[in-house]
Amino acid sequence: EAQVTQNPRYLITVTGKKLTVTCSQNMNHEYMSWYRQDPGLGLRQIYYSMNVEVTDKGDVPEGYKVSRKEKRNFPLILESPSPNQTSLYFCASSSGPNTEAFFGQGTRLTVV
Amino acid sequence: AQSVTQLGSHVSVSEGALVLLRCNYSSSVPPYLFWYVQYPNQGLQLLLKYTSAATLVKGINGFEAEFKKSETSFHLTKPSAHMSDAAEYFCAVKAGNMLTFGGGTRLMVKP
Repeated sequence: EAQVTQNPRYLITVTGKKLTVTCSQNMNHEYMSWYRQDPGLGLRQIYYSMNVEVTDKGDVPEGYKVSRKEKRNFPLILESPSPNQTSLYFCASSSGPNTEAFFGQGTRLTVV
Repeated sequence: AQSVTQLGSHVSVSEGALVLLRCNYSSSVPPYLFWYVQYPNQGLQLLLKYTSAATLVKGINGFEAEFKKSETSFHLTKPSAHMSDAAEYFCAVKAGNMLTFGGGTRLMVKP
């Protein structure tokens, strides 16, 4: 089954404790992205990647890092999480720049 | 730069009534437009997409949307609402590598 898998689905952490949210896709897609969803703001793009070792900033990259060492994986790293990063995070992948994106189930992160 | 505006963060309709969810966009290049639906505690699922082939686009679950370049709009409609349509709907525009979403519209369906 074609899918985008995120882990964990739920995470509660404390301010400053580094964390990683994993994302993996099995569709051999070149494009992968991370979004955060906040009420009234829709989804905002954090980072995206066009291929292995190629990443770029989206609209809200501050406080986040990504890496793309393998085509299927695109982890999101928060080196020093802060409460304003409490949000619902989605990973997505697509086969090309203007094709539909397939989304993971989301990761609800709470930073206290 | 591109942006998406969804008019109405909440829309309530009666079961069987017309559903109309509004979306206006701005884009400096010819856009690709999408509507996604999000059910509670789930990710986003594609409803339909406009990729310049036809201005009236039919999607899943009886939804359709019409691209109107002169109005920079891509409104989503369904002739008859069903209780299972209750969800949050997002309009999105993609140009190049950037996918930009509107703020979302929560659709409520009354029995």
